[in-house]
Amino acid sequence: GAVVSQHPSWVICKSGTSVKIECRSLDFQATTMFWYRQFPKQSLMLMATSNEGSKATYEQGVEKDKFLINHASLTLSTLTVTSAHPEDSSFYICSATPYGQKGRNLEQYFGPGTRLTVT
Amino acid sequence: GENVEQHPSTLSVQEGDSAVIKCTYSDSASNYFPWYKQELGKRPQLIIDIRSNVGEKKDQRIAVTLNKTAKHFSLHITETQPEDSAVYFCAAGYNQGGKLIFGQGTELSVKP
Repeated sequence: GAVVSQHPSWVICKSGTSVKIECRSLDFQATTMFWYRQFPKQSLMLMATSNEGSKATYEQGVEKDKFLINHASLTLSTLTVTSAHPEDSSFYICSATPYGQKGRNLEQYFGPGTRLTVT
Repeated sequence: GENVEQHPSTLSVQEGDSAVIKCTYSDSASNYFPWYKQELGKRPQLIIDIRSNVGEKKDQRIAVTLNKTAKHFSLHITETQPEDSAVYFCAAGYNQGGKLIFGQGTELSVKP
């Protein structure tokens, strides 16, 4: 199956600082990646669709200036949480699909997640 | 907007019994319905999926049914085992590989 990695796996930061989370597709190219956040014992909430070479598409209610997404290459998307506050503490998960690649199942493959704690 | 409702939120069964989880979706344009299993602190794993041109799909102990007219779909797990204990999420989307809207999740507990 396809492999998606995230870095870091966990991070603790002070309120007011920015944190960058990386999502990489290790053995396939992904023109589109998705970012989700998940609070404890809750569902995955889609935050945005990250498109390689163009602007991300944000879901309603997600602040694009606070959650900066950059999809600079076919294997890397980054999510930067700017001016983080305690309420931003959550589990952030990315996913990617080997879309358009022959022989590949088109399911979404999820990264292992990044646990962000803002103090 | 798009919405997926999932029930029940918790489900406890005895080992060997069947478990059924139900979801309804709001957007009639949705045509892809995957189910994911998530263990505590881990990433969601796809266990089965179904497209809108099929009414039922089965993979060993797991089956999914879809009723497009009623806009609901269900996950059926037979002969449950303790290792089936996890949180299960349904989702709905446009085409495999497109964005997904997730249900609220069902915490399944299988008691030995």
